[in-house]
Amino acid sequence: KAGVTQTPRYLIKTRGQQVTLSCSPISGHRSVSWYQQTPGQGLQFLFEYFSETQRNKGNFPGRFSGRQFSNSRSEMNVSTLELGDSALYLCASSRGPGEDTQYFGPGTRLTVL
Amino acid sequence: GQNIDQPTEMTATEGAIVQINCTYQTSGFNGLFWYQQHAGEAPTFLSYNVLDGLEEKGRFSSFLSRSKGYSYLLLKELQMKDSASYLCAVRVTTGGFKTIFGAGTRLFVKA
Repeated sequence: KAGVTQTPRYLIKTRGQQVTLSCSPISGHRSVSWYQQTPGQGLQFLFEYFSETQRNKGNFPGRFSGRQFSNSRSEMNVSTLELGDSALYLCASSRGPGEDTQYFGPGTRLTVL
Repeated sequence: GQNIDQPTEMTATEGAIVQINCTYQTSGFNGLFWYQQHAGEAPTFLSYNVLDGLEEKGRFSSFLSRSKGYSYLLLKELQMKDSASYLCAVRVTTGGFKTIFGAGTRLFVKA
């Protein structure tokens, strides 16, 4: 069974631009969560989607948004990029909300210059 | 608020046993996870505890005490490849399901 895939793997943007990251969950998994990982803050929860609906949201500004499609693939968007948005963005999938195990993708390394 | 504490770094010797502790203060506890993350890679699932007690899986064991808000990950027969960060994470059900991660413990295994 193929794992969680994320595209692109690396991205370089400049301040003020926007970016869209993509995540394809494991086949049969319907829940997708997004996390931001930085050396200083560790893994911070961004949001979770299930059945095309955002079920939960972390403490991030409205510049961070996401969506989920009917095939469970998910995208997250960051608008008006800031230097502090430079991080590893990880997507994790599970069969559903509250399932015992999340499987992480390899992440997208975003660098904002 | 929700808080998870674990040591920042630990060093141990190949072949030895190491215990990584995690304490948490959360509301709506719904399970505790341990993940391993090698540098530059994604976290990989190690263990899950929702009831008190010890869960053993090969060289890795995880313990949970819900009343004390405490867990530990025990790694036996350490190998060099166990050098990684170990993330303690708690799933909570306040306002829907959410997983909160600790900052991670970086483990260095020396020969």
